[in-house]
Amino acid sequence: EIVLTQSPATLSLSPGERATLSCRASQSVSSYLAWYQQKPGQAPRLLIYDASNRATGIPARFSGSGSGTDFTLTISSLEPEDFAVYYCQQRSNWPRGLTFGPGTKVDIK
Amino acid sequence: QLQLQESGPGLVKPSETLSLTCTVSGGSISSSSYYWGWIRQPPGKGLEWIGSIYYSGSTYYNPSLKSRVTISVDTSKNQFSLKLSSVTAADTAVYYCARLIIEVAFDYWGQGTLVTVSS
Repeated sequence: EIVLTQSPATLSLSPGERATLSCRASQSVSSYLAWYQQKPGQAPRLLIYDASNRATGIPARFSGSGSGTDFTLTISSLEPEDFAVYYCQQRSNWPRGLTFGPGTKVDIK
Repeated sequence: QLQLQESGPGLVKPSETLSLTCTVSGGSISSSSYYWGWIRQPPGKGLEWIGSIYYSGSTYYNPSLKSRVTISVDTSKNQFSLKLSSVTAADTAVYYCARLIIEVAFDYWGQGTLVTVSS
C-alpha cells in the first residue's frame, strides 16, 4: 500500500500570506495525485487533480505541482475562506488502493 | 446539478452489520465515465477510502476492510449501497458517498452521515 505523509500537520498563517503544503508518497505515484479542501462539518471539495490541474470552479490562487513522490499545494494569497484542512490522495494503482494523506490544517495566525 | 445523499441508521450495535445507501440524483449512475465510492472519516481524524463500484457491478475494496465490506449497485433506483459487517467502536465515523471520475478523483460528495457503533 502506498502511504502518503503530509507536512506540516498545522500551518498557522495570516490572510494574504502564501501557503505551501507538502505531500510525500512512499513510492512513486507518477502525477496521479489530487488535493481536497475540507471545512468543519462539510464534505471534502476537489481542488486539484493529476498533480497540477485545477478542478472546475477552483480559484487560480490554488496551484499544485510535483511528480513521483513529492508534491506541493500552494495557495498564493490566503483568503478567509481558505482556512481549512487539506488532504492529498493518490490513485497510482487505479482502481485499487486509493489512499489519502493525514491532512494539513491551515489555521489563522 | 448532481447530488448524492447517504441514508441509513445512525446507530449500530457492536458485531452487527452497518448498512448505508447512497441515492444519486441529477445524473445517471450508469454513466461509463464514473465509479462510485464510499469514504469514511472517524471523528476528528482523516479520510479513509472504503471501496468503489462501477455501474456494471465491478468492485474494488480497501484491503484493510475487504473481508467485511460489500458494495452493491441498483441502477434501476440510481443507488449504490455499503454493508460493513462485524462492526466495532473503531467503525464509528462519518460515512461519505462520492462520485469518482475514472482515473481522476472524487468530484462530487454527499453531505456525509454519522454512524455510531455502540450498544
